Amino acid sequence: AQTVTQSQPEMSVQEAETVTLSCTYDTSESDYYLFWYKQPPSRQMILVIRQEAYKQQNATENRFSVNFQKAAKSFSLKISDSQLGDAAMYFCAYTYNDMRFGAGTRLTVKP
Amino acid sequence: GAVVSQHPSRVICKSGTSVKIECRSLDFQATTMFWYRQFPKKSLMLMATSNEGSKATYEQGVEKDKFLINHASLTLSTLTVTSAHPEDSSFYICSALLAGYSYEQYFGPGTRLTVT
Repeated sequence: AQTVTQSQPEMSVQEAETVTLSCTYDTSESDYYLFWYKQPPSRQMILVIRQEAYKQQNATENRFSVNFQKAAKSFSLKISDSQLGDAAMYFCAYTYNDMRFGAGTRLTVKP
Repeated sequence: GAVVSQHPSRVICKSGTSVKIECRSLDFQATTMFWYRQFPKKSLMLMATSNEGSKATYEQGVEKDKFLINHASLTLSTLTVTSAHPEDSSFYICSALLAGYSYEQYFGPGTRLTVT
């Protein structure tokens, strides 16, 4: 069974600084998708970034980028120039047939 | 962008009654929808996968007779919690799969169910 592990229950970052959230996963598949979702207090799931496993190039979306290490089954999220609005729960997700989520990391941004 | 709605956003029901939650894809057709349950400060747990025109596939440990799922059209899936009990109180989230597009799921805003 596919599992997704986020080992950092909570992280804190100073405004304008950079923070990296960790995620590892387990799968026997070779072609799959990975996502990072943000869940603010409203609880609406918001897609932050996606990565196709067959692509070697790391995905980037403005201040958000990933470090995808397929062999190591690692998929970390880097948030640059952190903003107060980045404070939320962040979930790493793996999908092949269905989507599996990690336990989440609560990110606090200090002004 | 793809939008998914849920109705109601929150509901309070008495123990023993049934409650229906609707999930709609507003601007696209979704052959597959998913239902998740989220406890406070916890992650999303997949309950079932709903395919249009066929029976839902339930995850292990999810009671199919308690959580009835119907996906009668390409834009609507419903979750009915039957004979609700206080332990069914939770946040329920649906999502719809935009087929052929990176397997990305679009999430509804969720429904908070409280059973008294």
